[in-house]
Amino acid sequence: KNEVEQSPQNLTAQEGEFITINCSYSVGISALHWLQQHPGGGIVSLFMLSSGKKKHGRLIATINIQEKHSSLHITASHPRDSAVYICAVRGIQGAQKLVFGQGTRLTINP
Amino acid sequence: SQTIHQWPATLVQPVGSPLSLECTVEGTSNPNLYWYRQAAGRGLQLLFYSVGIGQISSEVPQNLSASRPQDRQFILSSKKLLLSDSGFYLCACKQVFYGYTFGSGTRLTVV
Repeated sequence: KNEVEQSPQNLTAQEGEFITINCSYSVGISALHWLQQHPGGGIVSLFMLSSGKKKHGRLIATINIQEKHSSLHITASHPRDSAVYICAVRGIQGAQKLVFGQGTRLTINP
Repeated sequence: SQTIHQWPATLVQPVGSPLSLECTVEGTSNPNLYWYRQAAGRGLQLLFYSVGIGQISSEVPQNLSASRPQDRQFILSSKKLLLSDSGFYLCACKQVFYGYTFGSGTRLTVV
């Protein structure tokens, strides 16, 4: 079993729909990251969370430390939101390496 | 803010040829540096990390090596590439008061 599990692996929706991507992890963490990877491969950091909720534009990220679960929400989705969304957790000890989920491929159709 | 320069963006190399991917960081000092690889259809996997000059830790046994000759320079190398080395290679940086910053990545195809 992977330390970080994302669901769904693939998600197709229509423009305007509310999107939820889930991430569960099984290890102790110091922070959780949500990342966006575009088709060319470049990765952009969206959020870094250690508790509660963060919002940036149409994106909302929440984390429940007790349940070891995080969600990324996209409101009023748009085709330009199409990308792979990756959850990554940062360890507590040592070099605080990131452990990545396998990613969720989101496609928003116009 | 931290900025990572990673090159080249794409690379096609024959089996058995050497490899050198370079990552340089600006806007920070004494960062932790990381090399990740994403094989086709899989998630990113940590290959190497470095907490300082000349300090390299390897996460998985493989055909690759890493070096950190300067504080802000991290190099991924291979003496002889294998087909299985194909993938997307990503350099990342973390400093104490900042989150992670990622390079733009290198897509390597070994033919």
